[in-house]
Amino acid sequence: RKEVEQDPGPFNVPEGATVAFNCTYSNSASQSFFWYRQDCRKEPKLLMSVYSSGNEDGRFTAQLNRASQYISLLIRDSKLSDSATYLCVVILTTDSWGKLQFGAGTQVVVTP
Amino acid sequence: DGGITQSPKYLFRKEGQNVTLSCEQNLNHDAMYWYRQDPGQGLRLIYYSQIVNDFQKGDIAEGYSVSREKKESFPLTVTSAQKNPTAFYLCASKDRGNQPQHFGDGTRLSIL
Repeated sequence: RKEVEQDPGPFNVPEGATVAFNCTYSNSASQSFFWYRQDCRKEPKLLMSVYSSGNEDGRFTAQLNRASQYISLLIRDSKLSDSATYLCVVILTTDSWGKLQFGAGTQVVVTP
Repeated sequence: DGGITQSPKYLFRKEGQNVTLSCEQNLNHDAMYWYRQDPGQGLRLIYYSQIVNDFQKGDIAEGYSVSREKKESFPLTVTSAQKNPTAFYLCASKDRGNQPQHFGDGTRLSIL
């Protein structure tokens, strides 16, 4: 079993609709969680951190469910520019640095 | 502007040749990382360094070498022993603790 798993998609979403997807992690000692966005043939860029109480950044909402060991990302009012691959990153605090674990990504395609 | 600079953007390797990818950061981060990404795949860790003059193998270090003589610089050499070097190479850095990584814009390596 992979340490961090994501549904690869693609999630095909009409413009203006809402889409949500999850990322599950296997180690209950995981401490920090992030969502990155990666456009085709580009580097990953930090989208948002995921806080225990859940957090919002504009149209994006991130949630953490420690009991079921997953994080989620919800995108409201989808724009064409939201089309990308969304990577989740989990940090396991093994030392002062933390061990980063990447999911393989969920592809989102927003259609007109 | 603070950031991570990778060069070159595109690189071609001949049979039996070693090539070196450059990664420089001015974020004053202690830790630096090299990843490889194949088409449609997730990131795989090649090498990482948490302090000058020290580095550790990642999951796929065979056929690669690194050095960390300066805090700002973490070059990656793809040796002739790496038989399938064609990929997108990403350099990243981070602060100590549960902090996210920041990525350079990558180098695409192909075989001639």
